[in-house]
Amino acid sequence: DTAVSQTPKYLVTQMGNDKSIKCEQNLGHDTMYWYKQDSKKFLKIMFSYNNKELIINETVPNRFSPKSPDKAHLNLHINSLELGDSAVYFCASSQYYAGLAKNIQYFGAGTRLSVL
Amino acid sequence: GIQVEQSPPDLILQEGANSTLRCNFSDSVNNLQWFHQNPWGQLINLFYIPSGTKQNGRLSATTVATERYSLLYISSSQTTDSGVYFCAVEQAAGNKLTFGGGTRVLVKP
Repeated sequence: DTAVSQTPKYLVTQMGNDKSIKCEQNLGHDTMYWYKQDSKKFLKIMFSYNNKELIINETVPNRFSPKSPDKAHLNLHINSLELGDSAVYFCASSQYYAGLAKNIQYFGAGTRLSVL
Repeated sequence: GIQVEQSPPDLILQEGANSTLRCNFSDSVNNLQWFHQNPWGQLINLFYIPSGTKQNGRLSATTVATERYSLLYISSSQTTDSGVYFCAVEQAAGNKLTFGGGTRVLVKP
């Protein structure tokens, strides 16, 4: 069983379209993340949810809207896609231990988004 | 924010060679992880190592938190070790991981 699974694996779409990426984890974790990896392989946090509550929201255009229906799922919806949104988007999850700082993050396989 | 620098940026190895990858960070951290991104793009956890030394097969890692660096050792490299190795740090529990720029490793047969 895949611990952190993302769908779809590949997404090719036209500029201006709206698309969603889904993520599910079966690790029983309470915290989930979205990261973006650009064409130079640089990885950067976008959002983080803890028990369905948004706790990290980096400087991301408001065309990106995350949603966490429950602590096992975190989806990413992108409106009005632009060429610069082309990247690989990774979902991750971890269990937050207050004060113990053992926040080991596990990553999904990534969604490669190509905007034409 | 915290800065994470990895060196070297690129590394070409002959199969069987040993190598050391370095990660320097600019502030104290609570969490440090090493990842391997394989040629298919998957990010694989190698080590959770905020301090001390750990070994897993041909790989080992050492973090000297007081001096703000971590080292990843690859011994007897194999072609399957090719890919990008990332160091990532976290400054406070429950916070984000900040990634270094990665070291691209190519192991030639």
